[in-house]
Amino acid sequence: DGGITQSPKYLFRKEGQNVTLSCEQNLNHDAMYWYRQDPGQGLRLIYYSQIVNDFQKGDIAEGYSVSREKKESFPLTVTSAQKNPTAFYLCASSWTGWNEQFFGPGTRLTVL
Amino acid sequence: QKEVEQNSGPLSVPEGAIASLNCTYSDRVSQSFFWYRQYSGKSPELIMSIYSNGDKEDGRFTAQLNKASQYVSLLIRDSQPSDSATYLCAVNLGDQAGTALIFGKGTTLSVSS
Repeated sequence: DGGITQSPKYLFRKEGQNVTLSCEQNLNHDAMYWYRQDPGQGLRLIYYSQIVNDFQKGDIAEGYSVSREKKESFPLTVTSAQKNPTAFYLCASSWTGWNEQFFGPGTRLTVL
Repeated sequence: QKEVEQNSGPLSVPEGAIASLNCTYSDRVSQSFFWYRQYSGKSPELIMSIYSNGDKEDGRFTAQLNKASQYVSLLIRDSQPSDSATYLCAVNLGDQAGTALIFGKGTTLSVSS
């Protein structure tokens, strides 16, 4: 089945720890995106990548890092520098030249 | 600051009625407009895309776009309790394809049986 997978579904982190959220897609999409959603809020863009080995910062990139070594994968690291990381993290992908983005199931991160 | 505005709701309609959801955007050069449905605790699901002025219909859903007024809407005909969800309006950044989207905060729709 084609789709976007994110793991883990739930993640608990102690303050001061870095954690990495996984996002994999087998849709042959070129572009991938990371968003953050807080309760009652829309989605805010963290990072996006339109091609392997290249990515751009979104509106709230501080405290996050990404890599794009493979077309299928776009992991997000939440560093200890992110002051308020508890949120719902959503990964999306799309074909280059199109804006229709399709989302994975998300990862809920809670800082203890 | 480029923005997408939606009424947060909740919008309450009886089963079988028409639900009308509205969205305005600030960037005049935007070319792509989307409606996503998000059930509580789940990720957004794309339900409509619209790129040209006018109406686009897909089943019970109709998207309407007016670029001159910077306004996009979603009509849901014959609303069902299963339509109860938050609806997110999204607009592309700039006038090029393949760029990121700006999302509104969403309108919560409640359909009562």
